[in-house]
Amino acid sequence: GDSVTQMEGPVTLSEEAFLTINCTYTATGYPSLFWYVQYPGEGLQLLLKATKADDKGSNKGFEATYRKETTSFHLEKGSVQVSDSAVYFCALRPGYKLSFGAGTTVTVRA
Amino acid sequence: NAGVTQTPKFQVLKTGQSMTLQCAQDMNHNSMYWYRQDPGMGLRLIYYSASEGTTDKGEVPNGYNVSRLNKREFSLRLESAAPSQTSVYFCASSRSGGENSPLHFGNGTRLTVT
Repeated sequence: GDSVTQMEGPVTLSEEAFLTINCTYTATGYPSLFWYVQYPGEGLQLLLKATKADDKGSNKGFEATYRKETTSFHLEKGSVQVSDSAVYFCALRPGYKLSFGAGTTVTVRA
Repeated sequence: NAGVTQTPKFQVLKTGQSMTLQCAQDMNHNSMYWYRQDPGMGLRLIYYSASEGTTDKGEVPNGYNVSRLNKREFSLRLESAAPSQTSVYFCASSRSGGENSPLHFGNGTRLTVT
């Protein structure tokens, strides 16, 4: 079935460092791809999405590009802040079901 | 704007006890979902309701039942709790079941079964 695999964490960075979280997917069709973020004690929030190949989703300085040729949707941010400390989930949605990766915990130190 | 509200926030049960997790959304969304979150496994879909009056099984439905009470409310019931059901449960809703309709999540219910 359709699934996503994302890099394992935890990831620890210093403020202003560059962040990349790898995500690859397996799908029979062309699903929409998402990144969700979970801050401590909260539910998941949509961070960005892309609905077709070569689309770039962006929000709050984060970007991800839907790469059909490499079946990837890597998340990047050029300069992280302490407030970006959270768990990040890659997800795909071919229909009703939204399938999540295992999540990557990111900690940013001042 | 409350969004998706889940109750309770925390619950401890003994093996064999039953309970119902409540979820309500005020965004007039058609579709609602229940997920469980376990360390290292991401979120797994338990049940979903594409629209009022319909429910369907997700990846891990065993041991659970759901009720779509009306358009706003979607409850999850554990009839006989087991330690394997210790988890954080999230309710979510979306305008529709289409690919481009993002999910909005509640803040979760942390359940411990002893």
